[in-house]
Amino acid sequence: AQTVTQSQPEMSVQEAETVTLSCTYDTSESDYYLFWYKQPPSRQMILVIRQEAYKQQNATENRFSVNFQKAAKSFSLKISDSQLGDAAMYFCAYRFPIQGAQKLVFGQGTRLTINP
Amino acid sequence: DSGVTQTPKHLITATGQRVTLRCSPRSGDLSVYWYQQSLDQGLQFLIQYYNGEERAKGNILERFSAQQFPDLHSELNLSSLELGDSALYFCASSGSSGDYNEQFFGPGTRLTVL
Repeated sequence: AQTVTQSQPEMSVQEAETVTLSCTYDTSESDYYLFWYKQPPSRQMILVIRQEAYKQQNATENRFSVNFQKAAKSFSLKISDSQLGDAAMYFCAYRFPIQGAQKLVFGQGTRLTINP
Repeated sequence: DSGVTQTPKHLITATGQRVTLRCSPRSGDLSVYWYQQSLDQGLQFLIQYYNGEERAKGNILERFSAQQFPDLHSELNLSSLELGDSALYFCASSGSSGDYNEQFFGPGTRLTVL
């Protein structure tokens, strides 16, 4: 079964610094999608960034970027110039690639604290 | 605002009772997904519907059932509730833009079973 592992239950960073959140996954598939979701105290799930496995180029969205290492099955999220509003739970997710069924498998999450 | 709505926001009930959670997907989205977020199990996929038909099933308990109606809204029915069913239940939807890879989440329904 596909699994997603986030080995850092909690992380903290100083405001304006850079932080990297780790994620590894297990799959025998060659085509899939990976995502990072943010869950602030409001509990809303917000998509931060996504990566298609067939793309070699790492995805980037403003201050958020990923380091996708397909062979190592690693998908880390880098947040640059951390802001207070970045404080949240971050979930790594894998899209189960059965045709017509797009369920997400989530890691256990990393709680990110931003220190002013 | 994701465009996905869920009602109610909060629900408090007793063990043994039955509740119904409602979800309205984004305009045009044909797929609806239900997820459960609990402290001990994390975020888990329950079930997916596509245009009224069940498409995929996760570790959904037999006491739970769902359906998607012709207007594409979906309901998740939870019966014979137990203390362990207390959780945040999310609905997500996808597909209106032709891209089924991104799921848009609703604000969730917080269920407390006493």
